[in-house]
Amino acid sequence: GESVGLHLPTLSVQEGDNSIINCAYSNSASDYFIWYKQESGKGPQFIIDIRSNMDKRQGQRVTVLLNKTVKHLSLQIAATQPGDSAVYFCAENGAGNQFYFGTGTSLTVIP
Amino acid sequence: DTAVSQTPKYLVTQMGNDKSIKCEQNLGHDTMYWYKQDSKKFLKIMFSYNNKELIINETVPNRFSPKSPDKAHLNLHINSLELGDSAVYFCASSQGGRGEQYFGPGTRLTVT
Repeated sequence: GESVGLHLPTLSVQEGDNSIINCAYSNSASDYFIWYKQESGKGPQFIIDIRSNMDKRQGQRVTVLLNKTVKHLSLQIAATQPGDSAVYFCAENGAGNQFYFGTGTSLTVIP
Repeated sequence: DTAVSQTPKYLVTQMGNDKSIKCEQNLGHDTMYWYKQDSKKFLKIMFSYNNKELIINETVPNRFSPKSPDKAHLNLHINSLELGDSAVYFCASSQGGRGEQYFGPGTRLTVT
């Protein structure tokens, strides 16, 4: 499954499939990005980060891709599990040490 | 051990009242933040404090005032509450202003 954060805020995928969550950022000067996961009733939790001198970074079951040319980030989750159901945010850190969060994408995993 | 804690978890109050939300972090971080999350899940930064100094102050109403008695605490005081203040407020902390942020569990404020 694939989504575009601001235009398609919800994404449903079958358990076991791969998920792709997209994020368009606004500030070309942003040089550090973080993906957060927010489960229902909880605060956001760090998943993975990437600096602008990289275009790909991998974690456990997650991969973040950065395309600075089009100011686009994506979060790929491999073998999506029910516990991955949450709202996912990308946050960009630009000038002035400020972090700006996108609207978020709600991921629902169908068993 | 709770890294970032907030009290209360729920706060229901009437318009015009003054209320405070408390936040404490035991991570030894030097920067703390307050965010507001609306009903559409949009997270907006309100304030951040670094070593007791306000370093970010977004365009929020001056009815909102952050107060930091020490590096481990950043409280949020709200005067003359309005209906539009209803939201979930999150406290967060980080080491330095550009690192990973650790969020508290949130305080759901409902103004009636």
